[in-house]
Amino acid sequence: QQQVKQSPQSLIVQKGGIPIINCAYENTAFDYFPWYQQFPGKGPALLIAIRPDVSEKKEGRFTISFNKSAKQFSLHIMDSQPGDSATYFCAASPENAGNMLTFGGGTRLMVKP
Amino acid sequence: NAGVMQNPRHLVRRRGQEARLRCSPMKGHSHVYWYRQLPEEGLKFMVYLQKENIIDESGMPKERFSAEFPKEGPSILRIQQVVRGDSAAYFCASSPRMTGTGDGYTFGSGTRLTVV
Repeated sequence: QQQVKQSPQSLIVQKGGIPIINCAYENTAFDYFPWYQQFPGKGPALLIAIRPDVSEKKEGRFTISFNKSAKQFSLHIMDSQPGDSATYFCAASPENAGNMLTFGGGTRLMVKP
Repeated sequence: NAGVMQNPRHLVRRRGQEARLRCSPMKGHSHVYWYRQLPEEGLKFMVYLQKENIIDESGMPKERFSAEFPKEGPSILRIQQVVRGDSAAYFCASSPRMTGTGDGYTFGSGTRLTVV
């Protein structure tokens, strides 16, 4: 079954902290792993994405770590800010699936000033 | 570029009525996807369409739900005889091509359907 499991469901950190959100998948055919950020009342917006040929990707304060053998990937937010408070979704897409994304359940992050 | 436009933003329907949700993809995008988000949950794929064709409707409930993407005009997600369980946020996304993976997606801001 094409599932993506995400944890934790919610997370509270102080400003400057490094929240870490984890995702695990089952389908070895997954080939593309994006992270989306969603603010209340808005649609998800692509934050950063990785493919399984690399173990880490960094864009600004956001880093994805990828462990292909464990079928896990995680998002790290360096020097977190109150403006990062949002819901974060991991997702995965298998090859030749017509662009269909399978989403994790989401993590609601709150960064306290 | 106006992005992916969805309307209405909020829709209230009584049980048994029909709901029509519209999605205009980004300029130059010919692939449209509909997702449903229940409260406190992730997005679930419903249907993938190209102009005048349904490519994958594996996530669509078998009854009461239909989708189209005509040659001219927006994509429409139609829910007949709505029930309370249909209350959710419905998101549309578009992409310029099929790459075999989910990159190139842009989501709209969604339509929040409330069934009373």
